[in-house]
Amino acid sequence: EVQLLESGGGLVQPGGSLRLSCAVSGFTFSSYAMNWVRQAPGKGLEWVSGTSGSGSTTYHADSVKGRFTISRDNAKSTLYLQMTSLRAEDTAVYYCAKGDQWLVRSDFDSWGQGTLVTVSS
Amino acid sequence: QLVLTQSPSASASLGASVKLTCTLSSGHSNYAIAWHQQQPEKGPRYLMKLNSDGSHRKGDGIPDRFSGSSSGAERNLIISSLQSEDEADYYCQTWDTAMGVFGGGTKLTVL
Repeated sequence: EVQLLESGGGLVQPGGSLRLSCAVSGFTFSSYAMNWVRQAPGKGLEWVSGTSGSGSTTYHADSVKGRFTISRDNAKSTLYLQMTSLRAEDTAVYYCAKGDQWLVRSDFDSWGQGTLVTVSS
Repeated sequence: QLVLTQSPSASASLGASVKLTCTLSSGHSNYAIAWHQQQPEKGPRYLMKLNSDGSHRKGDGIPDRFSGSSSGAERNLIISSLQSEDEADYYCQTWDTAMGVFGGGTKLTVL
């Protein structure tokens, strides 16, 4: 059974940093792309970042480019999102989502339960 | 720039059928999309991939009540024999070059 477990969320001040993790099990991690998707309170889903199975290709949304970095440790079956220069508008539940193939541009066929990030002073 | 447009809300009666539509912006009518369901207070769930010719591949465990169809730039999610647990938000999603794109979502109410 595919399982995705996010962690690392919490309250952080504007301008601060946070690193999210997504530990996975139930599939060969290095064979699949992974993504981060967020949802602000009461709003819809917003894609944030994606990485290929090897981690050699990464994409970021314009809204986070230069501030967030997606990475992965295939030996640990863990996905990361390093977030810096956080803003109030980054407040959201962050979900990790598994791709259905190795390439970044793939369907999100499994989702985690999310971790809440709150940016506030 | 690719945009996915969804109606904000829809409603249908228990046991009836409903069609939710996602419309691709001009110049992107041949794109495949994916449908995702988000029940209240839960994470999203993948429903299916829907191609421009109407062919679709559903995720594991998705009931036969869920199907898809396509017409031009429209990608439709059809839910038949509506059940109370189908009350949820439904999102379409695709890729625009190097960026993931979601529609605004449709909130489905089962009456």
